[in-house]
Amino acid sequence: QPVLTQPPSVSAAPGQKVTFSCSGSSSNIGSNSVSWYQHLPGTAPKLLISENNQRHSGIPDRFSGSKSGTSATLGITGLQTGDEADYYCGTWDSSLSAVVFGGGTKLTVL
Amino acid sequence: EVQLVESGGGLAQPGRSLRLSCAASGFTFDDYALHWVRQAPGKGLEWVSGISWNSAKIDYADSVKGRFTISRDNAKNSLYLQMNSLRAEDTALYYCAKDFSGDVWGVDYWGKGTLVTVSS
Repeated sequence: QPVLTQPPSVSAAPGQKVTFSCSGSSSNIGSNSVSWYQHLPGTAPKLLISENNQRHSGIPDRFSGSKSGTSATLGITGLQTGDEADYYCGTWDSSLSAVVFGGGTKLTVL
Repeated sequence: EVQLVESGGGLAQPGRSLRLSCAASGFTFDDYALHWVRQAPGKGLEWVSGISWNSAKIDYADSVKGRFTISRDNAKNSLYLQMNSLRAEDTALYYCAKDFSGDVWGVDYWGKGTLVTVSS
């Protein structure tokens, strides 16, 4: 079972806004920064957000990140069909001495 | 441009071994930690192992501890994963990934992966 908890799926219409939640504990999200990744099948995962809310190079400002306590959130505005992908959160777990990921959330743009 | 190219995947019988390699370019290799992350069919991302810039810090997921060994050759800009005592549950696409820093912390860039299938 993944250490971080993400809902398995989310859907929204083109042009709308969607949020992805990621829940952890004091040993991971609660004490370390969170990253978010976009993964399309057959391709390399792509870093969207690092350090909770810093967009990676080349990532448009439609993507945003935030963290509060032991939870983190990724937001996407102005949804496009090209945004359909799996989205993962990840962080360092100080107790496990391991990088941990959520189980991923599949985004469907209706 | 950061490039990470994995190789060495293939079909292996349970109990046998495989060695994965990752050739890196586009960044100062010995400034950064590196990782192996895998994705089993139909599953999410699972971190396997990480190694710091100077190999002083190495960590493993519990699922591979004692069976897999990560190593790096800074002179060759290469990362390796020696996988012994393979199990069916090790079947996955294995990604080589670069860390944000020299210590084992988190991932920014990923390769496209190499497929490992463990089956008799």
